[in-house]
Amino acid sequence: QKEVEQDPGPLSVPEGAIVSLNCTYSNSAFQYFMWYRQYSRKGPELLMYTYSSGNKEDGRFTAQVDKSSKYISLFIRDSQPSDSATYLCAMEAGNQFYFGTGTSLTVIP
Amino acid sequence: ETGVTQSPTHLIKTRGQQVTLRCSSQSGHNTVSWYQQALGQGPQFIFQYYREEENGRGNFPPRFSGLQFPNYSSELNVNALELDDSALYLCASSSGTLYTEAFFGQGTRLTVV
Repeated sequence: QKEVEQDPGPLSVPEGAIVSLNCTYSNSAFQYFMWYRQYSRKGPELLMYTYSSGNKEDGRFTAQVDKSSKYISLFIRDSQPSDSATYLCAMEAGNQFYFGTGTSLTVIP
Repeated sequence: ETGVTQSPTHLIKTRGQQVTLRCSSQSGHNTVSWYQQALGQGPQFIFQYYREEENGRGNFPPRFSGLQFPNYSSELNVNALELDDSALYLCASSSGTLYTEAFFGQGTRLTVV
């Protein structure tokens, strides 16, 4: 069993839709939870990070962490075609990040 | 742009050869981590360097080695290349304990034939 599980998709939504991306994890030692966006043939770009359970909002993006369920989510409101990318969740324990496999998202105009 | 630069962008090597990949960290950052990302997978942690010392290593064999220089730039060396080493190699730089604010470079696409 992988330490971080993420549905690879692909996910296809119409422009303006609300997108929900999710990851589950098994390691209770994870302290920080991150979401990265990766465009094709590019390096991952940090979107948001959270430390504790709860919600964190940044513009159209909301990150949610539920440590009791070992479940994290990223919500994208009013999705745009420019949001089309692969979204990676990542979690930190010690000195390293543990990544999910990424969810491929396409927002159709 | 993150300020993290990697070179070369693309590379083709033959099985059994050796390769060196380079990473220049963002200004003010003293920590560099290296990751391997196979096609369709998330990045896998190779190792991290903090102030020129190895500061953690993932599940990679010893033929994966690295260096960090006084200016905090870094190299990843891979000996005896195997076909499965074909991947995107990413470096991420961060400042000390702020591992959560790590910024990635564009990556080096290595193809082993």
